Amino acid sequence: DAMVIQNPRYQVTQFGKPVTLSCSQTLNHNVMYWYQQKSSQAPKLLFHYYDKDFNNEADTPDNFQSRRPNTSFCFLDIRSPGLGDAAMYLCATSRAGGVNYGYTFGSGTRLTVV
Amino acid sequence: AQKVTQAQTEISVVEKEDVTLDCVYETRDTTYYLFWYKQPPSGELVFLIRRNSFDEQNEISGRYSWNFQKSTSSFNFTITASQVVDSAVYFCALGGGSNYKLTFGKGTLLTVNP
Repeated sequence: DAMVIQNPRYQVTQFGKPVTLSCSQTLNHNVMYWYQQKSSQAPKLLFHYYDKDFNNEADTPDNFQSRRPNTSFCFLDIRSPGLGDAAMYLCATSRAGGVNYGYTFGSGTRLTVV
Repeated sequence: AQKVTQAQTEISVVEKEDVTLDCVYETRDTTYYLFWYKQPPSGELVFLIRRNSFDEQNEISGRYSWNFQKSTSSFNFTITASQVVDSAVYFCALGGGSNYKLTFGKGTLLTVNP
């Protein structure tokens, strides 16, 4: 089945140690998104890629970076994780046209910072 | 700016009761899309429905039904004869036209007790 896969499901990292979260898709969708969801809060968009074009949300901290080496893969890099970055990170994809076609979400990576 | 309000933070019902989750939205877009997602404890976001702003027909899918009223900017979700498996956080979300960003409400935690 076509899907969005996030690895790992659970990630523990040390305070200040760079960490990378991975997302892959078999849907061949143009757009890939990263959302951050802190405990008991709504998901919040960090950035998205339309093909190779990177679109950062204005309030996304510089500590968060992303790479999309090809259509199938997208990575979220947290350069120096702080305790406040502990959250569920959700990857999603959509066809060109964005919300017109809805999103497909992955299962998420729950990040713990110790 | 877009905004989604889910005034009910938590709802607790007994199995087989009907329950309605409220969603009120604000947008200046004339074309927009409304969504409901279910988030079980495992964390993934499960798509339930997408509705565009030009389609005010109510929709029923099994035990689920949705009432979209543009006059009151509401998109409410009703579960009939609730079951324990319905226990989850439910998010209402809004996306505008060709925009790529989904704006989520804060979610409603539904607990269905046996």
